Amino acid sequence: SQQGEEDPQALSIQEGENATMNCSYKTSINNLQWYRQNSGRGLVHLILIRSNEREKHSGRLRVTLDTSKKSSSLLITASRAADTASYFCATDAGSGSRLTFGEGTQLTVNP
Amino acid sequence: DAGVIQSPRHEVTEMGQEVTLRCKPISGHDYLFWYRQTMMRGLELLIYFNNNVPIDDSGMPEDRFSAKMPNASFSTLKIQPSEPRDSAVYFCASSFRDGYTFGSGTRLTVV
Repeated sequence: SQQGEEDPQALSIQEGENATMNCSYKTSINNLQWYRQNSGRGLVHLILIRSNEREKHSGRLRVTLDTSKKSSSLLITASRAADTASYFCATDAGSGSRLTFGEGTQLTVNP
Repeated sequence: DAGVIQSPRHEVTEMGQEVTLRCKPISGHDYLFWYRQTMMRGLELLIYFNNNVPIDDSGMPEDRFSAKMPNASFSTLKIQPSEPRDSAVYFCASSFRDGYTFGSGTRLTVV
């Protein structure tokens, strides 16, 4: 079964709005990563947050991690139509170990 | 660096035929992963290698699937004989410490 579960499964917003996606996981992790996948394309690494970190920023992306609740959120601010894609969280239990992916959130940003 | 290179990008084959997917990881990465993505099951880890040695192949669906990594710069995933339910996008990824990079995937269609 998938380690991570994303919420919501689908999100549709207008350009300029913020998009928030959530991820929950079950077991202890070393780090949690977020990936983006455009339709028919490969996975692109967005951001990694380690288990001892609570928040991380990268451009318009903000990731939070709450290890007590085993959850993470990805916030995309000032969304653009080009942000339309599927977003996956993935957990890593240890250095070099497997990544376990959630089912993804399909984000649609309407121009 | 050209990233993780997979070939072919697309493969259409008839049921019962042998299919070989290829992957060239990023130089210096010591882990290599094979994932499969379908609409029904999402992203699933099939097998991963560390320093060319298979570490966990518990995700390999059945004996029809086999993977090899004869050296640090090449890996293959073979399906023999192929079946329509094997149709999916197969991703290869490599990593060093926490840095994961995915290839663009091979879209396999078995008719």
